[in-house]
Amino acid sequence: EAQVTQNPRYLITVTGKKLTVTCSQNMNHEYMSWYRQDPGLGLRQIYYSMNVEVTDKGDVPEGYKVSRKEKRNFPLILESPSPNQTSLYFCASSLTGGANVLTFGAGSRLTVL
Amino acid sequence: AQSVSQHNHHVILSEAASLELGCNYSYGGTVNLFWYVQYPGQHLQLLLKYFSGDPLVKGIKGFEAEFIKSKFSFNLRKPSVQWSDTAEYFCAVNGGWSYNTDKLIFGTGTRLQVFP
Repeated sequence: EAQVTQNPRYLITVTGKKLTVTCSQNMNHEYMSWYRQDPGLGLRQIYYSMNVEVTDKGDVPEGYKVSRKEKRNFPLILESPSPNQTSLYFCASSLTGGANVLTFGAGSRLTVL
Repeated sequence: AQSVSQHNHHVILSEAASLELGCNYSYGGTVNLFWYVQYPGQHLQLLLKYFSGDPLVKGIKGFEAEFIKSKFSFNLRKPSVQWSDTAEYFCAVNGGWSYNTDKLIFGTGTRLQVFP
């Protein structure tokens, strides 16, 4: 089944404790992206990747890092999480080139205490 | 900056009522438009999309949307809602960007509650 898989789905952590949210897709998609969803703000893009080793900032990149060493994986790294990063995170992927439909993962709900 | 506005933040309907959710975007170029739905506790799923052609597009589960270029709008409609339509609905636009090609700009969402 074609899908985007995120882990963990739920995580409670404390300020400053590094964490990684993994994202993997099995559709051979070139484009991958991370969004965060907050009440009243909708979804906002954190980082994106056009292909392997090509990543760039989205609209809200502060406090996050990403890497794209393999086509299928696009982990989101929080080096020193803070409470304002408490949010619902979605990974998404698509065939690149525009006018393509993003396929979303199931979401990862992160709470930073 | 490009933006998407969804004016209805919370809509409450009875089953069989008609639904229309508003979506307006601010971008002067060619756009691709989407409606996504998020059922409670689930990920976003595509309801329908508009890339070109007939401005009235039909999606899954009886939903449809009309692209009105002159009004920069892409409103979502359903003639008769069901309890199972309870969800959050997001309008999104892709502006044919030359880079970050598949980026979507989302509206803030509309929470729909349907009561039996």
